[in-house]
Amino acid sequence: EAQVTQNPRYLITVTGKKLTVTCSQNMNHEYMSWYRQDPGLGLRQIYYSMNVEVTDKGDVPEGYKVSRKEKRNFPLILESPSPNQTSLYFCASSSTGKETQYFGPGTRLLVL
Amino acid sequence: QQQVKQSPQSLIVQKGGISIINCAYENTAFDYFPWYQQFPGKGPALLIAIRPDVSEKKEGRFTISFNKSAKQFSLHIMDSQPGDSATYFCALGGNAGNMLTFGGGTRLMVKP
Repeated sequence: EAQVTQNPRYLITVTGKKLTVTCSQNMNHEYMSWYRQDPGLGLRQIYYSMNVEVTDKGDVPEGYKVSRKEKRNFPLILESPSPNQTSLYFCASSSTGKETQYFGPGTRLLVL
Repeated sequence: QQQVKQSPQSLIVQKGGISIINCAYENTAFDYFPWYQQFPGKGPALLIAIRPDVSEKKEGRFTISFNKSAKQFSLHIMDSQPGDSATYFCALGGNAGNMLTFGGGTRLMVKP
């Protein structure tokens, strides 16, 4: 089944404790992206990647890091999480030249 | 600065009624206008999309109306059903590869 998977689905952590949210897709898509969803603000892009080893900042990159060492994986790293990073996070992927993005199921993060 | 303004933030419609969600944008460089549907606990999924060479696109009970001169587009859900209860996002695309810019979202509730 073609899909985007994220882990973990739910995470409670404390301020300053480094964490990684994994994202994997099995559709051989070149483009991958991370969004955060907050009430009233919609989906805001954090980082995106056009292909392996090619990443760039989105609209709200502060406090986040990403890497794209393999085509299928695009982990999101919070090196020192803060309470304002409490949010619902989505990973998405799409094929080059095709605008339809396929989203993962989301990761709900609470930073205390 | 929000590139796309979506309204209303929430909407309650009776079963069988028409749901209308609107989006307005400023940057005319965009040429792809999708709507995504998100059910609770799930990631957004593409519902319907339009390009500016047509003024309307219909897929079943869902219609996008596009007004290029006014820089507005809207989603109409005819004969709304309780199963349509979800959050809907408009988006702008086509000016930077696969990137999408999302509106703030509309939470639709269809009452039986």
